[in-house]
Amino acid sequence: QKEVEQDPGPLSVPEGAIVSLNCTYSNSAFQYFMWYRQYSRKGPELLMYTYSSGNKEDGRFTAQVDKSSKYISLFIRDSQPSDSATYLCAMTRLQGAQKLVFGQGTRLTINP
Amino acid sequence: ETGVTQSPTHLIKTRGQQVTLRCSSQSGHNTVSWYQQALGQGPQFIFQYYREEENGRGNFPPRFSGLQFPNYSSELNVNALELDDSALYLCATYGTGKETQYFGPGTRLLVL
Repeated sequence: QKEVEQDPGPLSVPEGAIVSLNCTYSNSAFQYFMWYRQYSRKGPELLMYTYSSGNKEDGRFTAQVDKSSKYISLFIRDSQPSDSATYLCAMTRLQGAQKLVFGQGTRLTINP
Repeated sequence: ETGVTQSPTHLIKTRGQQVTLRCSSQSGHNTVSWYQQALGQGPQFIFQYYREEENGRGNFPPRFSGLQFPNYSSELNVNALELDDSALYLCATYGTGKETQYFGPGTRLLVL
């Protein structure tokens, strides 16, 4: 069993829809949770960074962490065609330079 | 912009050959990690260097090796290339004041 599970999709939604992306994990030692966006043939770009359980909002993006359920989510409101990309969840035990463990990535397409 | 650059952007090698990939980051980023991302998968941790010493390694064989230099650049070397080594190779750096690692654009390696 993988440490981090993420539905690979693909997920296709119309422009303006609310998108929900999710990951589950098995290692209760994970404390720091990240969402990266990766455009085709590019490196991952950090979108959201959260510590422990709770919510964090940044513009159209909201990250949620539920450590009791070992479940994290990323919500995208008012989705735009430019949001079309692969979204990767990542997590680590300690802050900063520690090894990141990634999910498989979810391919998202926003249709105009 | 993350301030992390990688070279070359892509290259083609044949099985059994050796390859060196390079990463350069901004001043103060004294930790560098290398990841391998196969097509359709999330990045997998190869190893990490801190102040020119290996500081953690993932489940990769010894033919994957690295170097880090005082000028915040680093190298990933892969010997005896195999077809399964075809992937996007990413470096990620971390420095004081940063909350997590930031990725370069990657080098796409194709082994024939």
